[in-house]
Amino acid sequence: EPEVTQTPSHQVTQMGQEVILRCVPISNHLYFYWYRQILGQKVEFLVSFYNNEISEKSEIFDDQFSVERPDGSNFTLKIRSTKLEDSAMYFCASATTGQPNNEQFFGPGTRLTVL
Amino acid sequence: KQEVTQIPAALSVPEGENLVLNCSFTDSAIYNLQWFRQDPGKGLTSLLLIQSSQREQTSGRLNASLDKSSGRSTLYIAASQPGDSATYLCAVRPKRNTGFQKLVFGTGTRLLVSP
Repeated sequence: EPEVTQTPSHQVTQMGQEVILRCVPISNHLYFYWYRQILGQKVEFLVSFYNNEISEKSEIFDDQFSVERPDGSNFTLKIRSTKLEDSAMYFCASATTGQPNNEQFFGPGTRLTVL
Repeated sequence: KQEVTQIPAALSVPEGENLVLNCSFTDSAIYNLQWFRQDPGKGLTSLLLIQSSQREQTSGRLNASLDKSSGRSTLYIAASQPGDSATYLCAVRPKRNTGFQKLVFGTGTRLLVSP
C-alpha cells in the first residue's frame, strides 16, 4: 500500500542552524501538508501546499519557515534559523485533492531536536 | 475558534474489555472527523474518517460515531487487546475561519491494555 515517507527520522541541530526536513508524498497525491507536535502537546497544522503555492498556513508558519517541491517527488520544509522551541515532531501528509471531505495520509514524522 | 477535547486523557483496562473514547468539539460546522492512532514516538495512522453527513463508521473491532449537532464523537473498541495500546487522537476539519485544508487535533487519549 502506498505511504508517505519522511527523512530523516531524527535530526539534531544547533540553535541558529538551518534544517530541511524531507517528505515523499504518495505518488498520485496533489495536496501536501506539514504539521508539528511539540512533546506532550497537540498536533498543530503548519501549512498546506498545492500547485507550487501555499494554499493555507497557520500563525505558527512565519518567515522562518518555507516549503518547496523541488522535484516531482519530494516536498520539503525548511526552517531558516532554528530556535529551541522548534524542537518537535514534524509530520508530512498528502491527499489526492484539496476537497474538504478528502482524507489526509500522514508520514511517520521527523523528530527535530534543537540544542 | 475550533477547539477539540478528548476525555479521558488516559485509560487503563484489562484485555478483553470493550471501551469508549470520547471526543468533543466546540463548533459543529465541520466537514468531517478523523480518528488516528499514534504509537510512542511514531507517526499517525488513520483509523476511521466520518463525513459530516454520516453517523458512524466501522472497521473491524472499531466503531466511530458522530453527533455533529452536539459536537461529539465516540470511538468504540470491542474486545480490546494489548496491541491496541497507543494514543488515540481525533481531528476535525473545520468549515469556519479556514481555507478548508487544516485538521484541528485533540490532545489524545492514552490507552493501555494489559494482558
